[in-house]
Amino acid sequence: AQSVTQPDIHITVSEGASLELRCNYSYGATPYLFWYVQSPGQGLQLLLKYFSGDTLVQGIKGFEAEFKRSQSSFNLRKPSVHWSDAAEYFCAVGAEETGANNLFFGTGTRLTVIP
Amino acid sequence: DAGVIQSPRHEVTEMGQEVTLRCKPISGHNSLFWYRQTMMRGLELLIYFNNNVPIDDSGMPEDRFSAKMPNASFSTLKIQPSEPRDSAVYFCASSDRVVNIQYFGAGTRLSVL
Repeated sequence: AQSVTQPDIHITVSEGASLELRCNYSYGATPYLFWYVQSPGQGLQLLLKYFSGDTLVQGIKGFEAEFKRSQSSFNLRKPSVHWSDAAEYFCAVGAEETGANNLFFGTGTRLTVIP
Repeated sequence: DAGVIQSPRHEVTEMGQEVTLRCKPISGHNSLFWYRQTMMRGLELLIYFNNNVPIDDSGMPEDRFSAKMPNASFSTLKIQPSEPRDSAVYFCASSDRVVNIQYFGAGTRLSVL
């Protein structure tokens, strides 16, 4: 079965600084990987996904993530954080054969942005 | 499309009362998911439907919880009787096998007093 680990519960960065949120997954075959963002009082919004192909994927709001099979990682990055990026971020993994029907979510990383 | 629509957005009820949460998935999506989110347990999958049929309900906490999907455009999650420990945010999501992305509703915040 799949599993996801987000080792950082809470991260604080200064506005304008770079950001990297870590995600490690466990799955023996080809994973489907997702990053979602949840703003306070809102549902989860998809930032980006990886199914196959180029291991560096671009998403919305200036985010990108890199799939590294050798490290079982799918870390999320942004070169310059904006105050509006403060939110909770969830990494999720699925399987190719089930698509989005069986996602395993990490416990989330809360991002605080200071002026 | 308006996205996944959940109602109500907030529900406050007293212990022992029946609670019904509603979800309208994105038109054309054939899979629907109910999640519960709490501080202690994070995001938990309760049940998911494929083509209106429940496929996996192993996450449903106990018999007090039930979910139905009478047609492709509507689903309910019912708690009867409700208990204070059911207080959480309940999310509905939908997807299809072509796009393979789950789209989430805004959630229902349930408070059981």
